[in-house]
Amino acid sequence: QVQLQESGPGLVKPSETLSLTCSVSGYSISSGYYWGWIRQPPGKGLEWIGSIYESGSTYYNPSLQSRVTISVDTSKNQFSLNLSSVTAADTAVYYCARVFTVDPWFDPWGQGTLVTVSS
Amino acid sequence: EIVMTQSPATLSVSPGERATLSCRASQSVSSNLAWYQQKPGQAPRLLIYGASTRATNIPARFSGSGSGTEFTLTISSLQSEDSAVYYCQQYNNWPPLTFGGGTKVEIK
Repeated sequence: QVQLQESGPGLVKPSETLSLTCSVSGYSISSGYYWGWIRQPPGKGLEWIGSIYESGSTYYNPSLQSRVTISVDTSKNQFSLNLSSVTAADTAVYYCARVFTVDPWFDPWGQGTLVTVSS
Repeated sequence: EIVMTQSPATLSVSPGERATLSCRASQSVSSNLAWYQQKPGQAPRLLIYGASTRATNIPARFSGSGSGTEFTLTISSLQSEDSAVYYCQQYNNWPPLTFGGGTKVEIK
């Protein structure tokens, strides 16, 4: 059974870089699928950030593309998110999820981690 | 970017009754639509993909229909555990992948 777990700092200062890692268990990232990040500001809806394939090819939300980098480490069965130049608007629960390759829906999801941007 | 609009924002339904949730796309997404359920403090869970195919272990009381720009999620006989926010997501034209704003289902 595939399980995903996000980890990283819960507090980031404005203008700094938010960095999160998603650890995958029960499935090898190298075996296929895309792997993605989605965020949810407190009390609001869901926003797709971007997705990465095990080969390293990426797709990003154009609204965030200039600030986002997603990378994969197949040796650790992990993938990571970097979001630069953060502001309070980037405060959200960040989820990682497996993304189906041809038809990209998300299943399963990690439990999510709250990242607050504040000085 | 395809904009997904869900209605109503909140739906109050008695146990055992039918709940009907709507999702509209700003342009055709064919049948490339998924539905998710999110309970308070939890991650979203996939319910439906391909507009009408139930995901693994999803109860038969959940059904999806529609194509093009109009979609419906129906909960045939609402249970107390179905109290949640439901989101639709299109994957026809991307990036970006886009979600609707959600419908909150309350138990009356």
